[in-house]
Amino acid sequence: AAGVIQSPRHLIKEKRETATLKCYPIPRHDTVYWYQQGPGQDPQFLISFYEKMQSDKGSIPDRFSAQQFSDYHSELNMSSLELGDSALYFCASSLEGYIYEQYFGPGTRLTVT
Amino acid sequence: AQSVTQLGSHVSVSEGALVLLRCNYSSSVPPYLFWYVQYPNQGLQLLLKYTTGATLVKGINGFEAEFKKSETSFHLTKPSAHMSDAAEYFCAIASASKIIFGSGTRLSIRP
Repeated sequence: AAGVIQSPRHLIKEKRETATLKCYPIPRHDTVYWYQQGPGQDPQFLISFYEKMQSDKGSIPDRFSAQQFSDYHSELNMSSLELGDSALYFCASSLEGYIYEQYFGPGTRLTVT
Repeated sequence: AQSVTQLGSHVSVSEGALVLLRCNYSSSVPPYLFWYVQYPNQGLQLLLKYTTGATLVKGINGFEAEFKKSETSFHLTKPSAHMSDAAEYFCAIASASKIIFGSGTRLSIRP
């Protein structure tokens, strides 16, 4: 079965650079969620989208922005990167309203040097 | 607001012994509860979930969990630990349109 695809899987950036992470949901899933997992931490919810509209927002820094496109894929844009942004970024997808059927991607590991 | 609390950041058991990872939840509505496993440098894998119905939920790799409303608990168990079970385990709860994770329990298996 098709799963959530994230790209790139690994990314190395320097401080103050920008990064774009991409997420391709399971086919026919219309809702996308982003989570951030710092080293030794539990995953923290950042933001979610349904039908290209932001549906919920967590502890996402103002330096980060995200959007969902008409094909339901989503991009997380991060600017002015800081060392503390180094983390594993997960994307998950579901059908709207079916949060208990939320499937996670493999994650993108971002390292800021 | 919904939340989960995992008791014990690190649990160590001998191979073949019972595994018990504890999770208590707080929720003002009937909860959706999950257990995820994360191996080193890997993603999150869903072990099992409780939504409604049967309170004893069976998952992958021989794990199961029991939803106990009276105790607000959702503990994860496995009768006999295997070396390959060594990983980080997260209890989680659905809250509105997101999943909230516990702080995690690292399971170590002694030969």
